[in-house]
Amino acid sequence: KAGVTQTPRYLIKTRGQQVTLSCSPISGHRSVSWYQQTPGQGLQFLFEYFSETQRNKGNFPGRFSGRQFSNSRSEMNVSTLELGDSALYLCASAGTRGYSAGELFFGEGSRLTVL
Amino acid sequence: TQLLEQSPQFLSIQEGENLTVYCNSSSVFSSLQWYRQEPGEGPVLLVTVVTGGEVKKLKRLTFQFGDARKDSSLHITAAQPGDTGLYLCAGGDGAGNMLTFGGGTRLMVKP
Repeated sequence: KAGVTQTPRYLIKTRGQQVTLSCSPISGHRSVSWYQQTPGQGLQFLFEYFSETQRNKGNFPGRFSGRQFSNSRSEMNVSTLELGDSALYLCASAGTRGYSAGELFFGEGSRLTVL
Repeated sequence: TQLLEQSPQFLSIQEGENLTVYCNSSSVFSSLQWYRQEPGEGPVLLVTVVTGGEVKKLKRLTFQFGDARKDSSLHITAAQPGDTGLYLCAGGDGAGNMLTFGGGTRLMVKP
């Protein structure tokens, strides 16, 4: 079956702009999580959506937001970009296995560079 | 805030050597996962451990969850160049699929 698809794979923005990243989960998966990966901070949890509802949220400023559509596809948005937002943004989907961490299937990520 | 500390951060060894990667925390986790990430790709799950003291083996890889569910280790026997990559441990606290990741161990196995 098709894996997790993230678009775009690479993008360059300037400070102050906003960006929207997209994630299509594995067919049948209703949970989509977003993580930010940087050399200094590693992988940090942004938020998780399940059946169009935000289920968990990490410790990121309000400039970071997301949503999930009825077909489970998810988008995340970062407004007023800062240099420190340069990172690899990873999306992960998971099937339903109760309310505990199951197997996460990660996409290849969207690499954002802010100039 | 839950934190996971991984050690060592970097490891460069010769093919055939054994190695152990450690993942430690002061917090209790309901589950502990290990992932491997290669350049240009997302992390891929290797194993999930959920019971204190649990040991799981995956070919040449042995994973252990500490009795108190605060720490874990990954042992690789007779490492091969194909084992090269970034190894990440991640703890789950039972709150959906929100994971706390360790900083990672970058392993290079030289032929």
